[in-house]
Amino acid sequence: DQQVKQNSPSLSVQEGRISILNCDYTNSMFDYFLWYKKYPAEGPTFLISISSIKDKNEDGRFTVFLNKSAKHLSLHIVPSQPGDSAVYFCAASIQGAQKLVFGQGTRLTINP
Amino acid sequence: EPEVTQTPSHQVTQMGQEVILRCVPISNHLYFYWYRQILGQKVEFLVSFYNNEISEKSEIFDDQFSVERPDGSNFTLKIRSTKLEDSAMYFCASSQHDLSNQPQHFGDGTRLSIL
Repeated sequence: DQQVKQNSPSLSVQEGRISILNCDYTNSMFDYFLWYKKYPAEGPTFLISISSIKDKNEDGRFTVFLNKSAKHLSLHIVPSQPGDSAVYFCAASIQGAQKLVFGQGTRLTINP
Repeated sequence: EPEVTQTPSHQVTQMGQEVILRCVPISNHLYFYWYRQILGQKVEFLVSFYNNEISEKSEIFDDQFSVERPDGSNFTLKIRSTKLEDSAMYFCASSQHDLSNQPQHFGDGTRLSIL
């Protein structure tokens, strides 16, 4: 099932700089997108979401951008902090269907 | 902040045995879910549950699996006659409702090891 793909398994960023995590999807029926952060031995923690009627949603240091024509979304974290080091999952759903479809995750490491 | 809690954190079971994984969803949430993540693979949807019945399930969720809300707070996943390939992290999640794009909130998972 390759409906949601995160092509970068890992990303390393200097503290204070911008982290950009990318996600692509193939199913044009998806209309709700989420980013989750996961630390080892914990469950995914909801970070931010975006509906397909928007192209940007911002919450503090986190901004999600949605490009529907390219079927691409990205998560920007600025400034990056050491506590941001985690695995980030992109997920998508179709309104009316309950299931989330997850990407493989990207391991983000913030270097001091 | 309210959270989803799961017990046990780690369950070791002999192949062929039954196992019950337990979850306490967030108290005002109405939708409940189970997902699993096999080591090195994606998080996969298993089942969603609303109003005391299954509302959606994946191909993975076959007759070996069942879910139940035995009381007002617990939500359980039962796996009958476990197989080696059932070894995975099992995550419970809940959301307030699904029709207005509410995020699902996850517990910390139960690591299930089948021997």
